[in-house]
Amino acid sequence: GAGVSQSPRYKVAKRGQDVALRCDPISGHVSLFWYQQALGQGPEFLTYFQNEAQLDKSGLPSDRFFAERPEGSVSTLKIQRTQQEDSAVYLCASSLRGGDPTDTQYFGPGTRLTVL
Amino acid sequence: AQSVTQLGSHVSVSEGALVLLRCNYSSSVPPYLFWYVQYPNQGLQLLLKYTSAATLVKGINGFEAEFKKSETSFHLTKPSAHMSDAAEYFCAVSGGSNYKLTFGKGTLLTVNP
Repeated sequence: GAGVSQSPRYKVAKRGQDVALRCDPISGHVSLFWYQQALGQGPEFLTYFQNEAQLDKSGLPSDRFFAERPEGSVSTLKIQRTQQEDSAVYLCASSLRGGDPTDTQYFGPGTRLTVL
Repeated sequence: AQSVTQLGSHVSVSEGALVLLRCNYSSSVPPYLFWYVQYPNQGLQLLLKYTSAATLVKGINGFEAEFKKSETSFHLTKPSAHMSDAAEYFCAVSGGSNYKLTFGKGTLLTVNP
């Protein structure tokens, strides 16, 4: 079956612009995660949804970052007034169950955001 | 709090040689440990995971890892490297009520012909 998909794959934004990154998880997966991967680093947690509920947003770096999953499937990560330090690959992952730390997370290909 | 340290940001081996990628973790709760592989311009793919059953875990593509609590380690091994193994490898930890993954900085594996 289809895996996790993300769009766009590449996004170039001018400093100060708003961007929206989309994630389509595997159908039926309860949990959805967003991670940020800076160049040469491992992914870092941003936020977590269980169905439509955002249960953890402790990793969002500032109030310019906002995520939603209104119907419990597709999710959007929005970054307002982008800054150069926001340049990174944004990874989305989904897993079948909710709140299970042993559950496998399946990752999408990521969106590479470059802020000029 | 949880953390992962991957020793060696870059490991280079010859084709057919043993692959050993090191991972040490820190966790205040019993950990669950994962190894992911990332090929260029692709997402992360799970190689294997430890979830408190057998301490020796076998994964895809001939990889395996052993959980050693006394050493707080979860090193990844493969007896014989293939050219197709060249990629970046990430170790990650979760545990307790902490469902999010905490990753190490990654190890880039190069396989020389």
